[in-house]
Amino acid sequence: SQTIHQWPATLVQPVGSPLSLECTVEGTSNPNLYWYRQAAGRGLQLLFYSVGIGQISSEVPQNLSASRPQDRQFILSSKKLLLSDSGFYLCACLTGEGLQPQHFGDGTRLSIL
Amino acid sequence: GENVEQHPSTLSVQEGDSAVIKCTYSDSASNYFPWYKQELGKRPQLIIDIRSNVGEKKDQRIAVTLNKTAKHFSLHITETQPEDSAVYFCAAPTAGGTSYGKLTFGQGTILTVHP
Repeated sequence: SQTIHQWPATLVQPVGSPLSLECTVEGTSNPNLYWYRQAAGRGLQLLFYSVGIGQISSEVPQNLSASRPQDRQFILSSKKLLLSDSGFYLCACLTGEGLQPQHFGDGTRLSIL
Repeated sequence: GENVEQHPSTLSVQEGDSAVIKCTYSDSASNYFPWYKQELGKRPQLIIDIRSNVGEKKDQRIAVTLNKTAKHFSLHITETQPEDSAVYFCAAPTAGGTSYGKLTFGQGTILTVHP
């Protein structure tokens, strides 16, 4: 089964600073990858998903962007963070055909000061 | 797109009691329904899922039932234990064209099991 690595685990950044969160997957190939944000421990909001290298779809307009430079690497970025970007960021992976669940990484807790 | 409503938002039970969380969905074509458990500060973890070709699935103290006609599915936890305390999320496939495995999540239920 796949393993999803996210880093860093926690991050404190000032408003206006850049951001780069990384997600890598082991034990599978050609996965679908997803970035979620979770505010206040409730509700998972899908931000981006990717079905392959260089293929990114955005679900909501926002201050963030995503990239997939390699098959098992998914990066979430921002040029200038806003206070509203605070939250728990989760990377998820879906492998295989048919009806399969998404599996989540351990997440990055981002606090903006 | 798919709309998933989850109730209740909070649920408090005594240890040993049963807990039931219900979700409704809007897209009659939805065919896969996972449930996730998220402990405080941790990642959501899949606890059980059901496909639309069955009406019920059990795994020890956890069961999920699906009513396709009424478009709702429920999580049942029997003989609850304090370690069952967590936030539970239901989900359904996001509707519209090729979904790419996208899921629409309910808003979550905070379950508290009192010893």
